[in-house]
Amino acid sequence: KQEVTQIPAALSVPEGENLVLNCSFTDSAIYNLQWFRQDPGKGLTSLLLIQSSQREQTSGRLNASLDKSSGRSTLYIAASQPGDSATYLCAVGYSGGGADGLTFGKGTHLIIQP
Amino acid sequence: ETGVTQSPTHLIKTRGQQVTLRCSSQSGHNTVSWYQQALGQGPQFIFQYYREEENGRGNFPPRFSGLQFPNYSSELNVNALELDDSALYLCASSSAGQGEAFFGQGTRLTVV
Repeated sequence: KQEVTQIPAALSVPEGENLVLNCSFTDSAIYNLQWFRQDPGKGLTSLLLIQSSQREQTSGRLNASLDKSSGRSTLYIAASQPGDSATYLCAVGYSGGGADGLTFGKGTHLIIQP
Repeated sequence: ETGVTQSPTHLIKTRGQQVTLRCSSQSGHNTVSWYQQALGQGPQFIFQYYREEENGRGNFPPRFSGLQFPNYSSELNVNALELDDSALYLCASSSAGQGEAFFGQGTRLTVV
């Protein structure tokens, strides 16, 4: 059974800092990995999708890397802003059709202090 | 491009009742998945529909069932509600083979 772990569970940093969120998974036979953002009581917003054949993806101040062999991914946030405060979730998928669904970590609750 | 929409946004039901949640998939997407998210946890996969057939299921009992319609919209039905069914229910749509999932805003179900 695949397990996804996110470290740290919570993080509070001053505005402007660069930070790294970590995600690890136990079964390296993944099809893709996706990072999401979730605001309190809301749905999930897709941030970045990395296919298993890729090493990283970038979108604005966000950069996600994938090391499939070691079962790890990191989400790097540059020049953090108070609007980045949210819970960040990592999810792995096993098949292109997605019939196994996504397996999620519990998330990292991020607070950016103004 | 229309995103994923879910209805209703909030719902309160009594234990033992039945509930139906609805989801309209993003334009161009033919696959819909449903997830249950308990407070403080990551979402858990319930099942997936593709071309109106269930083609994948997580560890949920048969009282969780669904439908997908020809326009790719979907319903999640839960029978014999239990207190532990209280959660945020999330719908996601994707194009089969593309992988990237897009989520709706969720339905908050409270069972009392």
